[in-house]
Amino acid sequence: GQSLEQPSEVTAVEGAIVQINCTYQTSGFYGLSWYQQHDGGAPTFLSYNALDGLEETGRFSSFLSRSDSYGYLLLQELQMKDSASYFCASEVDSGGYQKVTFGTGTKLQVIP
Amino acid sequence: DTEVTQTPKHLVMGMTNKKSLKCEQHMGHRAMYWYKQKAKKPPELMFVYSYEKLSINESVPSRFSPECPNSSLLNLHLHALQPEDSALYLCASSQDGSGADASEQYFGPGTRLTVT
Repeated sequence: GQSLEQPSEVTAVEGAIVQINCTYQTSGFYGLSWYQQHDGGAPTFLSYNALDGLEETGRFSSFLSRSDSYGYLLLQELQMKDSASYFCASEVDSGGYQKVTFGTGTKLQVIP
Repeated sequence: DTEVTQTPKHLVMGMTNKKSLKCEQHMGHRAMYWYKQKAKKPPELMFVYSYEKLSINESVPSRFSPECPNSSLLNLHLHALQPEDSALYLCASSQDGSGADASEQYFGPGTRLTVT
């Protein structure tokens, strides 16, 4: 089946750097997206990696290695407002079509 | 305008009721999605409309009926729901329904549905 696995929870200190990993087992992999979702809120798109390597967008960077079926989201200079759930997502082949599937999600808690 | 709007924000309905959820976007996106999300779980895809045509139905029970009246609007009609259908229902849109475009989705705030 299709699966994108993430650690369920991560705790990090304000001002620090944290890495959220995503390992996947999918067929027809097309790239990896990352979304942020605050409690009670909607998912917000953060980044997309179609190719191997690092993509940087401000304090957030995302990395993909297709050969390792692995990616991560790197958050630098952590702020309290970064406390949220983070999901990786990928478009995968499913029953003759492609659909976006979300990872299991990581709840990030930033502490003072 | 990068906003996806959804109404209502909250909905409580009995198992015999009929109600509809509405979603609207004005970004010119050609793909629109319905997701169901339970607490502490990832969004789960229900339906995809691409160019106003239903392209994906993830084996959703027939008590959920989607409708796409035009390229900006998406409805989800609800009938005879069960208590286990209580969840956050999210609408999303993307430039296109496949490839890199499908991987960048814009979500509405959701409708918190409670079935009693």
